[in-house]
Amino acid sequence: QSALTQPASVSGSPGQSITISCTGTSSDVGSYNLVSWYQQHPGKAPKLMIYEGTKRPSGVSNRFSGSKSGNTASLTISGLQAEDEADYYCCSYAGSSTYVLFGGGTKLTVL
Amino acid sequence: QVQLQESGPGLVRPSQTLSLTCTVSGGSISSGDYYWSWVRQPPGKGLEWIGYIYYSGSTYSNPSLKSRVTISVDTSKTQFSLRLSSVTAADTAVYYCARALGGIDAFDLWGHGTMVTVSS
Repeated sequence: QSALTQPASVSGSPGQSITISCTGTSSDVGSYNLVSWYQQHPGKAPKLMIYEGTKRPSGVSNRFSGSKSGNTASLTISGLQAEDEADYYCCSYAGSSTYVLFGGGTKLTVL
Repeated sequence: QVQLQESGPGLVRPSQTLSLTCTVSGGSISSGDYYWSWVRQPPGKGLEWIGYIYYSGSTYSNPSLKSRVTISVDTSKTQFSLRLSSVTAADTAVYYCARALGGIDAFDLWGHGTMVTVSS
């Protein structure tokens, strides 16, 4: 099964909001509320930002929010800050044959 | 707090077997709440899920790697391990061990990662 589809890059200015999309199929994103999002700074391990589509782990800023419509999940970052500049990956449970799929990643640039 | 640490050779010859171990410190590997996972990232590329194991020994692997992947757990040492056979240059990557929340497949805790290069 193919990876989930994310835009290669997005950008925004400090204080603005951006949204990163993650498109799957009816076999993964569309069938389960099990999308998670990860932030990865260069040379660092990924960090969980959103799980079960909309939930934030303790310690993650409420500027990060998740949503889903059909086969597409989205991550929105409001009030952009310089430290938000990173790569972002979505991930979804994909059923009992494929199990886990990651997106290709999106590079966020804060202008 | 719970920490994960990968260990293993940084260089593997083509056609050989890559072997890595993840040590879980500060907590139990036998908690039924988690699956213990391997994720890799080739240089400059995205994340790829390799597989995970439950403390009981049940394993689940990426279908594209399944024929070459073995994941095992040693609860007495609070370690789990990855073996990837018949490696090629395409297996060159940073390998992460991670903890997945059972039932929701979210990776909430990660090791720092270890770079493995496949080269003769």
